[in-house]
Amino acid sequence: RKEVEQDPGPFNVPEGATVAFNCTYSNSASQSFFWYRQDCRKEPKLLMSVYSSGNEDGRFTAQLNRASQYISLLIRDSKLSDSATYLCVVKRNNNDMRFGAGTRLTVKP
Amino acid sequence: EADIYQTPRYLVIGTGKKITLECSQTMGHDKMYWYQQDPGMELHLIHYSYGVNSTEKGDLSSESTVSRIRTEHFPLTLESARPSHTSQYLCASRASYEQYFGPGTRLTVT
Repeated sequence: RKEVEQDPGPFNVPEGATVAFNCTYSNSASQSFFWYRQDCRKEPKLLMSVYSSGNEDGRFTAQLNRASQYISLLIRDSKLSDSATYLCVVKRNNNDMRFGAGTRLTVKP
Repeated sequence: EADIYQTPRYLVIGTGKKITLECSQTMGHDKMYWYQQDPGMELHLIHYSYGVNSTEKGDLSSESTVSRIRTEHFPLTLESARPSHTSQYLCASRASYEQYFGPGTRLTVT
């Protein structure tokens, strides 16, 4: 079993839709959590950190449930430019970062 | 914008050649990483370093080797390239929590 599990998708949604991605992690000692975005043939870039109380950045909302070892990302009012692969990332207590395999999103006109 | 650089960006080379992929960062980060990623597939960690003269193998077995003689420089070497090495190689560095990636080297071995 992988340490960080994501639904690979693809998620194909129309513009304006709300879409949610889920991620589970197996190491209960994990300390920090992030969502990265990777465009096709580009390098991954940090989208947002995930805080215990949940956090929002514009149309993006991230939530963490430590008890269930579950992280989510919600995108509201999807834009064509949101099309990308979204990587769930977990930082262990030994400082290693573990990347999920990613969930592919395509937003269509 | 991240100050992490990789050269070459694209490389097509014949089987059996020795190649070195360069990675440099000017952010003073101690931690550096090499990942291998095939198109549309997940990242695989192949090497990492937590500082000068420290290198470790990652999760995915790789025939490549790395060195870390200077903080800013983390080159990856393949002694004898094979078609199975065809992939994208991404270098990354990190200070605290955000990991910055270089633009990648797309390697094709013919």
